Amino acid sequence: AQKITQTQPGMFVQEKEAVTLDCTYDTSDPSYGLFWYKQPSSGEMIFLIYQGSYDQQNATEGRYSLNFQKARKSANLVISASQLGDSAMYFCAMRPRDTGGFKTIFGAGTRLFVKA
Amino acid sequence: ETGVTQTPRHLVMGMTNKKSLKCEQHLGHNAMYWYKQSAKKPLELMFVYSLEERVENNSVPSRFSPECPNSSHLFLHLHTLQPEDSALYLCASSQEGGVVNEQFFGPGTRLTVL
Repeated sequence: AQKITQTQPGMFVQEKEAVTLDCTYDTSDPSYGLFWYKQPSSGEMIFLIYQGSYDQQNATEGRYSLNFQKARKSANLVISASQLGDSAMYFCAMRPRDTGGFKTIFGAGTRLFVKA
Repeated sequence: ETGVTQTPRHLVMGMTNKKSLKCEQHLGHNAMYWYKQSAKKPLELMFVYSLEERVENNSVPSRFSPECPNSSHLFLHLHTLQPEDSALYLCASSQEGGVVNEQFFGPGTRLTVL
């Protein structure tokens, strides 16, 4: 079964500190993409970072990095130097190739609270 | 206008009403999507269109009817909805299918069915 699991319903982090949001996935497809999205209270889903299953290096985008451990099927998001504006829901998602590349499977999300 | 826009942003309707949600993307993408986001549930894919043809239909009740007249516009026609259909409806687009193409989302329509 293809599935995304985010085990942390909520996380707190102090401003300026780093935080790791966990994500594990399950698929038998050797080719897939992994994504993280941020959803502020306004509702819009904002793309943060992408990791391909064949990528050798971990993806980084500014303060976001993806800790990709393929053997463990984990794709944790690391946010460095947290800011108050980082408070939001964060969704991990996977897009396997064997669904035609159109079906993205989302996790249940983690709500991040950044404390001043 | 830039990105993906959705109208209306909020909608309240009775169970006997007929309404439509509109989505427009200004990114030159070929694929468009409708998602439903209910409280405490993961995002559910409803429909996918690629080059104006439906490529995914995830067992959605017939009271939801999509329409994609061109690659920039996507509609979701609603009729005789149920209270459990109350949710945030998100539209998204991507360059095409494939594992590498991220989706760009609109701000959503918050739907309440009375």
